[in-house]
Amino acid sequence: SQQGEEDPQALSIQEGENATMNCSYKTSINNLQWYRQNSGRGLVHLILIRSNEREKHSGRLRVTLDTSKKSSSLLITASRAADTASYFCATDGGTDKLIFGTGTRLQVFP
Amino acid sequence: EAQVTQNPRYLITVTGKKLTVTCSQNMNHEYMSWYRQDPGLGLRQIYYSMNVEVTDKGDVPEGYKVSRKEKRNFPLILESPSPNQTSLYFCASSLSPWGAQGGYTFGSGTRLTVV
Repeated sequence: SQQGEEDPQALSIQEGENATMNCSYKTSINNLQWYRQNSGRGLVHLILIRSNEREKHSGRLRVTLDTSKKSSSLLITASRAADTASYFCATDGGTDKLIFGTGTRLQVFP
Repeated sequence: EAQVTQNPRYLITVTGKKLTVTCSQNMNHEYMSWYRQDPGLGLRQIYYSMNVEVTDKGDVPEGYKVSRKEKRNFPLILESPSPNQTSLYFCASSLSPWGAQGGYTFGSGTRLTVV
């Protein structure tokens, strides 16, 4: 069963706009991670936020975590065409592995 | 360069013909895992390994085998492939099962077609 569910499933924006993706999960976690996948390629780790953190930044990425609502959001500011990809959240959920959501497909138009 | 190397990148095979997809990492990671990715189903874990000679089933292990004889290598074996194993496969490694230190490093993927 899926631990993380991303929303929306797909998102289209213009270059320069901000993109926000959300992730909801079901069980308590130690950390939540976001990954990017360019079409058909391997996933690339973007950022990790621990359960005792509320917000984290990395370049144009901002991640928030609300453990009371079991949700996280990924904000990409000033999007570029090169940001076009699928984005996945992943949680540990108390298991011996990361469980990935089904992803948000982001299309950034020049 | 720190990386996970998967081979082959693309593979077309016939039903029942045994095949092996290789995976090798150069980061001295203890944890390695195989996933398959299918449209609408996301990434599902097939098998994982905590360390040498320690492997365990993931969510969809049927029809697959793995081995971990060396720390760097974690091959995925399909003894008798069937068309429902047509998928995009990824190998991943990390320092810990939860990727708490730097996340998972993924290979570039193997697109397998079984006809």
